[in-house]
Amino acid sequence: SQTIHQWPATLVQPVGSPLSLECTVEGTSNPNLYWYRQAAGRGLQLLFYSVGIGQISSEVPQNLSASRPQDRQFILSSKKLLLSDSGFYLCAWKGAKNIQYFGAGTRLSVL
Amino acid sequence: DQQVKQNSPSLSVQEGRISILNCDYTNSMFDYFLWYKKYPAEGPTFLISISSIKDKNEDGRFTVFLNKSAKHLSLHIVPSQPGDSAVYFCAASDTSGTYKYIFGTGTRLKVLA
Repeated sequence: SQTIHQWPATLVQPVGSPLSLECTVEGTSNPNLYWYRQAAGRGLQLLFYSVGIGQISSEVPQNLSASRPQDRQFILSSKKLLLSDSGFYLCAWKGAKNIQYFGAGTRLSVL
Repeated sequence: DQQVKQNSPSLSVQEGRISILNCDYTNSMFDYFLWYKKYPAEGPTFLISISSIKDKNEDGRFTVFLNKSAKHLSLHIVPSQPGDSAVYFCAASDTSGTYKYIFGTGTRLKVLA
């Protein structure tokens, strides 16, 4: 069966520090992968998606970037975090019937 | 521009009664709709979906209705249970493209025992 792993679960970082969040999927090959953010009191906003290795599409101009170095690995990064980067970050993969399955998420607090 | 809207941020329902959560969309290219349930500090879990070729889909206590002319969908939960208390997100997708979802802002459902 397919599983998705995200880590870390929580992260507290100072303003200006770098960020690296990792997501891996098991049990499937060449999945579409997605990064979302849920800011406090808001819905889920799509940040990046990838249809294959090295293929990244950005949905929202921002302080973040994404990379897909391996088929089942998706990384969200920042060189210098801003206060506004705080939120709940979710990784997802697209399974059968156009259903996206989400990881447990990372709570990022930038102080 | 909010293409998917959930105008009710919260809803309280008595246990055993029906919960109705609503969602409106503006993009006529959307042809696939989903509902997700989310508990605090967890990722959303898939609940039920509906294709635009249907107007109703049922799975146990959960039924989704789609009114394409009104660009409106709703999720019915009958009977509501305390464990249903969570935030519910609707999402819409244009399956002719890259299967991106556009999510609504969510409705917090509280089922009172």
